[in-house]
Amino acid sequence: GDSVTQMEGPVTLSEEAFLTINCTYTATGYPSLFWYVQYPGEGLQLLLKATKADDKGSNKGFEATYRKETTSFHLEKGSVQVSDSAVYFCALKGGSARQLTFGSGTQLTVLP
Amino acid sequence: ETGVTQSPTHLIKTRGQQVTLRCSSQSGHNTVSWYQQALGQGPQFIFQYYREEENGRGNFPPRFSGLQFPNYSSELNVNALELDDSALYLCASSLDLKWDTEAFFGQGTRLTVV
Repeated sequence: GDSVTQMEGPVTLSEEAFLTINCTYTATGYPSLFWYVQYPGEGLQLLLKATKADDKGSNKGFEATYRKETTSFHLEKGSVQVSDSAVYFCALKGGSARQLTFGSGTQLTVLP
Repeated sequence: ETGVTQSPTHLIKTRGQQVTLRCSSQSGHNTVSWYQQALGQGPQFIFQYYREEENGRGNFPPRFSGLQFPNYSSELNVNALELDDSALYLCASSLDLKWDTEAFFGQGTRLTVV
């Protein structure tokens, strides 16, 4: 079945540091790929998505590129802020099923 | 437009009891999915409803059941609660079943089984 593997956390960075959170996936066909963010005590919010190979999703300074050849969708941000502290989930939809399949999440803490 | 709302926000139940969680989907959305998120884990798919019919189910036992109403709101029922059912239950609605359609999540219901 489909699966998503995320870089293990937690990740702690200083403000304005560069962020990379690795995500790789296994799926049949050509899934859509998503990054969701979860702030403490809240549900999930879509951060960005990409629906086909070489697409780049971007939002709020975050970017991720759909790499079919490496089955990856790494999340990057050039300069993180304290307000970016949250748990980030990589997910896919498609492949063998129409529901979202999530990774285990990466906790990010940004220190001032 | 209103977002996805879930009720209640928190709930404490005793092992063996039954619970019903509720979800109002975003306006215009006909697809609702339910997920279980254990502490420190990613959400796990329970089942999905499309236009009042179950459209897919994850690896959860039959004591997890659901319903979608004509207004596309939904319920998740869990019978014979076990301690391991303690988790955050998330509801998500989307416009349709397409693979690239965004899912909008509610705030979740935190269920504690004691």
